[in-house]
Amino acid sequence: GAGVSQSPSNKVTEKGKDVELRCDPISGHTALYWYRQSLGQGLEFLIYFQGNSAPDKSGLPSDRFSAERTGGSVSTLTIQRTQQEDSAVYLCASSLGYVGYTFGSGTRLTVV
Amino acid sequence: GQQLNQSPQSMFIQEGEDVSMNCTSSSIFNTWLWYKQDPGEGPVLLIALYKAGELTSNGRLTAQFGITRKDSFLNISASIPSDVGIYFCAGQRAGHSNYQLIWGAGTKLIIKP
Repeated sequence: GAGVSQSPSNKVTEKGKDVELRCDPISGHTALYWYRQSLGQGLEFLIYFQGNSAPDKSGLPSDRFSAERTGGSVSTLTIQRTQQEDSAVYLCASSLGYVGYTFGSGTRLTVV
Repeated sequence: GQQLNQSPQSMFIQEGEDVSMNCTSSSIFNTWLWYKQDPGEGPVLLIALYKAGELTSNGRLTAQFGITRKDSFLNISASIPSDVGIYFCAGQRAGHSNYQLIWGAGTKLIIKP
């Protein structure tokens, strides 16, 4: 597509449930990033995929967080046993190089 | 996580005023980036800076890469209502993976009615 597409745009879930957030990057972009943005904060790096290389998972805050990128395209960020502190906007970005990040509109996750 | 020191946190300005914001760090950076985020959207890249001392303009926006490589500023001249939003600085640190950006907490620009 023309831009980075994220779904759902909003997600309200009960504490303890699992959630899946989806990102469709720009076609042809080899790099894909997930960031988390808490209210009033900057962006917190979560995970980075580059082509077929092993992802950099160093930003994932706990083992409840995981992400996959299938076929070098679509990515899914999964949060298991959600906690209230997981509430944030989850942003996906893709690029050919790190400077040309294009962000999606994000998924606003609210854990109640 | 680590953040850049971005200031001010928010600015209330009159339409037509000039705006200035900056980011500082104790670390040395190879690249400085300035983004703008509108409500409900992801950040959009405004200006990228690659060299110490570099001064780059994009319309009414001007940004500079500090000589010490530890800071950067963004100026907006003659502000207009569509300039409202949150501005983020981001940088790629020297000696670190070039895909990992460090982000400021943002400067929220509000135009007084």
